[in-house]
Parts: sequence; structure tokens; C-alpha cells
Amino acid sequence: AQKITQTQPGMFVQEKEAVTLDCTYDTSDQSYGLFWYKQPSSGEMIFLIYQGSYDEQNATEGRYSLNFQKARKSANLVISASQLGDSAMYFCAMRSNYQLIWGAGTKLIIKP
Amino acid sequence: DTAVSQTPKYLVTQMGNDKSIKCEQNLGHDTMYWYKQDSKKFLKIMFSYNNKELIINETVPNRFSPKSPDKAHLNLHINSLELGDSAVYFCASSPLLFGTKVNIQYFGAGTRLSVL
Repeated sequence: AQKITQTQPGMFVQEKEAVTLDCTYDTSDQSYGLFWYKQPSSGEMIFLIYQGSYDEQNATEGRYSLNFQKARKSANLVISASQLGDSAMYFCAMRSNYQLIWGAGTKLIIKP
Repeated sequence: DTAVSQTPKYLVTQMGNDKSIKCEQNLGHDTMYWYKQDSKKFLKIMFSYNNKELIINETVPNRFSPKSPDKAHLNLHINSLELGDSAVYFCASSPLLFGTKVNIQYFGAGTRLSVL
């Protein structure tokens, strides 16, 4: 069955430190895609980064990078030099057929 | 210009009422979605339309009825509202029904529905 697991319900990180948010997935598809979204307290869902299963390089978007380990079926989000504005819920999702399968999310709090 | 806009942002109503949430996207996308996010922040797909055609219809009470008058609009009508319908409802759109990198889903700001 297709499944996304985010094992960290919540994390506290000191400002300016790097943070890794874990995401593992389960799929029998050969071709799939992995997404990370951010949901700040204001509620909107913001797309951050995407990794395709056949992409040879790990995806990067500014301070966001995706540590993709296909054999381990993990797609961890790395945020470098965290900022107070990074405090939010973070969701990992996987494309499966016509829809996204979502993880339960990780609440990240950046401490000043 | 807001890419995916949904109205209203807040909706407070009594049990048993009928209400609608509207969604419009100006991105030229073919596919639109409705999600429900519960109090524990879990996101669940409800419906997906591609070019006005219903593609995904998850296990949702038939009190929920989506309507897509054109591919830029996907409205959600809810009949006989119940306490358990209280949640945040998100509309989203993507360029394709399925695909790879270009098929990012873009979300509206959400509608917070409170049923009293």
C-alpha cells in the first residue's frame, strides 16, 4: 500500500541551525514523485520542493534541499540556517496515480 | 493576483444548514481538488476534477457535492451540515491529472468551517 510516514510530530530547533525533517515512503511504483509543503500558522499550504524518483541529483530550492535515499525509501527535507519564519507544519507527500498521499506532518518550532 | 482563491475564508453555521464554498484558479490548470484538513492537521483528498470531469471521489458522505462549471472553477456544496464537518477545506489545482515535475498542486488559503 502507498504510505508516507513522518515520525517526528514536533521539533524544536535553535535559530540559524540546520534542521532535518524525516519522511519515509512505501510504494510499489517504479515512477513516483515526492513533495514537501509548508503550512504556517496562517493556514495556507505552500509548495517547497519536489524530487522525482528518477532524478539523479537531490533537489535544492534556496535553503531547502531534499536528501533522497531511494534504497532506504526516504526523502528527508533539510532546511539550512533556520529562521524564525520557518516555524510551521511541514508535510511530505507522494504522487500516486491521480493523487497525493500525505504524511501526518511535523510541527517545527524555531527558537530565537 | 491570487492563483487559487476560495471563498469564504471563514464559515460559521448551524447544524442542518446547507452551505457552499467556491474555488477559482487563474493558472490555466486542468485539474482541481478538494481536501479536508481535520483538527489534527491530517489532509484527506475528497474530490478531484480534470477538465470538469470527476476523477477522484473518495469515501465522502453524499451530502458533499462538487460542481465544476468550467475547468477554472470547482465549488463544494454541503447539505445538512453536521458537527463532524467542522474542518478546514482546501481547494487546489495542478497543471495535469498526473505527471512529474510540472504537476505541482497549488493550494488556496483554505476555508475554516465551524458547525455549531
